[in-house]
Amino acid sequence: GNSVTQMEGPVTLSEEAFLTINCTYTATGYPSLFWYVQYPGEGLQLLLKATKADDKGSNKGFEATYRKETTSFHLEKGSVQVSDSAVYFCALSDPLNNAGNMLTFGGGTRLMVKP
Amino acid sequence: EAGVAQSPRYKIIEKRQSVAFWCNPISGHATLYWYQQILGQGPKLLIQFQNNGVVDDSQLPKDRFSAERLKGVDSTLKIQPAKLEDSAVYLCASSRQGVGEQYFGPGTRLTVT
Repeated sequence: GNSVTQMEGPVTLSEEAFLTINCTYTATGYPSLFWYVQYPGEGLQLLLKATKADDKGSNKGFEATYRKETTSFHLEKGSVQVSDSAVYFCALSDPLNNAGNMLTFGGGTRLMVKP
Repeated sequence: EAGVAQSPRYKIIEKRQSVAFWCNPISGHATLYWYQQILGQGPKLLIQFQNNGVVDDSQLPKDRFSAERLKGVDSTLKIQPAKLEDSAVYLCASSRQGVGEQYFGPGTRLTVT
């Protein structure tokens, strides 16, 4: 079956530091890949997505590139802010392996940015 | 555009009691999802509806969990009887016609004592 593996947190960075959160996946088909963010006390929000190999998703200074050869979708940001402190989830949707649009999530990575 | 609404936001019950959660999806979204998010883990799909029909309920513990979406809009998720391991955040999400972005509600945090 499908699975998503993320680096464990928490990740603690100083403001303006470079961020990488690793994500690798296992899927039988050709999945779409997503990063969701969950701010304290709020629901999950889509941060970015990529639907095919070599696509780059980007939003709010975050980027992730769909790497089929390494089955990875690492999240990066060049300069983090305190307001980026949240839990980040990598997820996939594999239409060939499920009847609907089900998302399979990784375990989440908590990011803490200190001033 | 209003987001996905859920209630209650928090619920504390004793084991063996029953509980129900309510979700109102974004207007016009045909597909509705219920996820269970145990502390420290990613969300796991429990059930997916397309209009008022079930698309996928393979991970729903049917001996104690039930869900319905009678008119293809609002949905309720029920647990009866609850167990300690049901303590989690229950997330509702919706999307257009089962494809594309899923929009999540704020969740209901359930504590079973």
